[in-house]
Amino acid sequence: SQQGEEDPQALSIQEGENATMNCSYKTSINNLQWYRQNSGRGLVHLILIRSNEREKHSGRLRVTLDTSKKSSSLLITASRAADTASYFCGETSGSRLTFGEGTQLTVNP
Amino acid sequence: GAVVSQHPSRVICKSGTSVKIECRSLDFQATTMFWYRQFPKQSLMLMATSNEGSKATYEQGVEKDKFLINHASLTLSTLTVTSAHPEDSSFYICSAAGQGHGWSEAFFGQGTRLTVV
Repeated sequence: SQQGEEDPQALSIQEGENATMNCSYKTSINNLQWYRQNSGRGLVHLILIRSNEREKHSGRLRVTLDTSKKSSSLLITASRAADTASYFCGETSGSRLTFGEGTQLTVNP
Repeated sequence: GAVVSQHPSRVICKSGTSVKIECRSLDFQATTMFWYRQFPKQSLMLMATSNEGSKATYEQGVEKDKFLINHASLTLSTLTVTSAHPEDSSFYICSAAGQGHGWSEAFFGQGTRLTVV
């Protein structure tokens, strides 16, 4: 990818469980963003964390950022079947917005 | 969030013809627009970044003469795939960022499925 790696590549859980996805990035960032994509559609912005922040919450989402390890994680708590989608972290550096490989999350009802 | 409209959503064209894809920001002024290409079950590959009124900055390996990008106004950017070939078949997605949102939060179009036969 143009960015780094995300793991896991695929994650299958039961409704109500928590889902954790990780991504690593390569360069110095301005901020890092997480997006979701339903099959065959555009991306929807979920949450942004700035390079000087370490943790951020939004509803059932929790994002962490470790700039020393160049990694970020996205936690979705109390997952729902409607959370089934691909999740990507987007790295903003300079004037570029690039994405990792993504995690395909399947939440089984 | 802001709305970005991408058109057409699907297009089938013959090999050798050119196809234009439009990306419009409907309720904000997009100072920066990004164009991506996505293959099935893969991530988005950034093709180019364009700023209104200036030439697009292409990623390494992307042919600027094949993928023509025009960002003539703060609400419209176009991607033209020239002399399309079957290997150009892909999902193309635009995103826009701009004044009031900070370029760091980008809003995405719904994508265009291009099939070259």
